[in-house]
Amino acid sequence: AQKVTQAQTEISVVEKEDVTLDCVYETRDTTYYLFWYKQPPSGELVFLIRRNSFDEQNEISGRYSWNFQKSTSSFNFTITASQVVDSAVYFCALILNFGNEKLTFGTGTRLTIIP
Amino acid sequence: GAVVSQHPSRVICKSGTSVKIECRSLDFQATTMFWYRQFPKQSLMLMATSNEGSKATYEQGVEKDKFLINHASLTLSTLTVTSAHPEDSSFYICSSPGAGGYGNTIYFGEGSWLTVV
Repeated sequence: AQKVTQAQTEISVVEKEDVTLDCVYETRDTTYYLFWYKQPPSGELVFLIRRNSFDEQNEISGRYSWNFQKSTSSFNFTITASQVVDSAVYFCALILNFGNEKLTFGTGTRLTIIP
Repeated sequence: GAVVSQHPSRVICKSGTSVKIECRSLDFQATTMFWYRQFPKQSLMLMATSNEGSKATYEQGVEKDKFLINHASLTLSTLTVTSAHPEDSSFYICSSPGAGGYGNTIYFGEGSWLTVV
């Protein structure tokens, strides 16, 4: 069975600081997909990124960046120059393949950006 | 882009009554729909998987007679919480993998906040 661990339950940083959210996953399969979602207080899940297990390239999208390290089974998410609008709960999640899209979610990290 | 529309976004019902939550795929045929539940300040847990035209598959610990799932068409899946109790108060959200030109993506509904009083 798969498992996703987000050890940081809550993080608070002052606006404009950088912050990294950790995600560690467990699976015996060699093929899998990892996701990050943002959940604002309204509840909807906002898709941030998808990464397959064969693509270890790090990715940057504006102030967001992701560091995928298969050697440590980690898929960490960094927000640079944080803003108040970044305050939300962030979930890391995993599926084995498209055809079986049951998401295994981590417990989430509640990020609060202090103005 | 592909959209999964979920209604109602918020519902309050009395204990003992039933409430129905709908998820519609607007741009693609949703052969499969996943239903998740999220208790306050907790993670999202898969409740069940529904496939069009067949019985839903429930995760361990989820009462299939209490959470009725119907997936009678390729664009509509419904979750009915029967004889709701306050402990059923939760956030419910559906998701479907895209199909056709929307493949290799997972689409979520907007979610439904259920409060049982």
